[in-house]
Amino acid sequence: GAVVSQHPSWVICKSGTSVKIECRSLDFQATTMFWYRQFPKQSLMLMATSNEGSKATYEQGVEKDKFLINHASLTLSTLTVTSAHPEDSSFYICSAPPGGQGPTEAFFGQGTRLTVV
Amino acid sequence: AQSVSQHNHHVILSEAASLELGCNYSYGGTVNLFWYVQYPGQHLQLLLKYFSGDPLVKGIKGFEAEFIKSKFSFNLRKPSVQWSDTAEYFCAVNSYYGNNRLAFGKGNQVVVIP
Repeated sequence: GAVVSQHPSWVICKSGTSVKIECRSLDFQATTMFWYRQFPKQSLMLMATSNEGSKATYEQGVEKDKFLINHASLTLSTLTVTSAHPEDSSFYICSAPPGGQGPTEAFFGQGTRLTVV
Repeated sequence: AQSVSQHNHHVILSEAASLELGCNYSYGGTVNLFWYVQYPGQHLQLLLKYFSGDPLVKGIKGFEAEFIKSKFSFNLRKPSVQWSDTAEYFCAVNSYYGNNRLAFGKGNQVVVIP
């Protein structure tokens, strides 16, 4: 199946700093990618839809200036957590459905465990 | 917006026992339905999916799920589990005509005791 690679797998940063997480589709092009956040023992919550060549679409309640998304190419989307605080500590997961017509499954990255100290 | 309900977050069972995980969704339109599995330390993997056609779908590793439209359900089953089925299982749904945005249930943590 298609492969989505996420980097880094885990990161620890100091409060107030920014952290960038990359999501790459390795063997297919993805005009759209999705960023999710997963709290312990809870579901994946969709944060935003990353659109290649245009602005991301954020879900209600997600701060656009806090979570900057850039989708600069058909194989790369980045999520930058700006001025991180301990409450931003979480597991962040990206996914990408292969392009094309009709419904399709999404492929997921391995996730990034962010710890803000 | 779609929402997905999964009950019994923690499930503990012995090897060879049968497993059934419930999934109900709320959405008035045509949907695509998925079950994903997350093994410890690994990324989400697709178990099976339903887009259209036969409502009984078979996935990998002996799993199957049945779409019952009238009940807005897509329950996952496996007749005989193995220790290696220990994982977290997520039901997800998106709009058939949408942009593949997924709504997830809270997941079921399944532990199979050898």
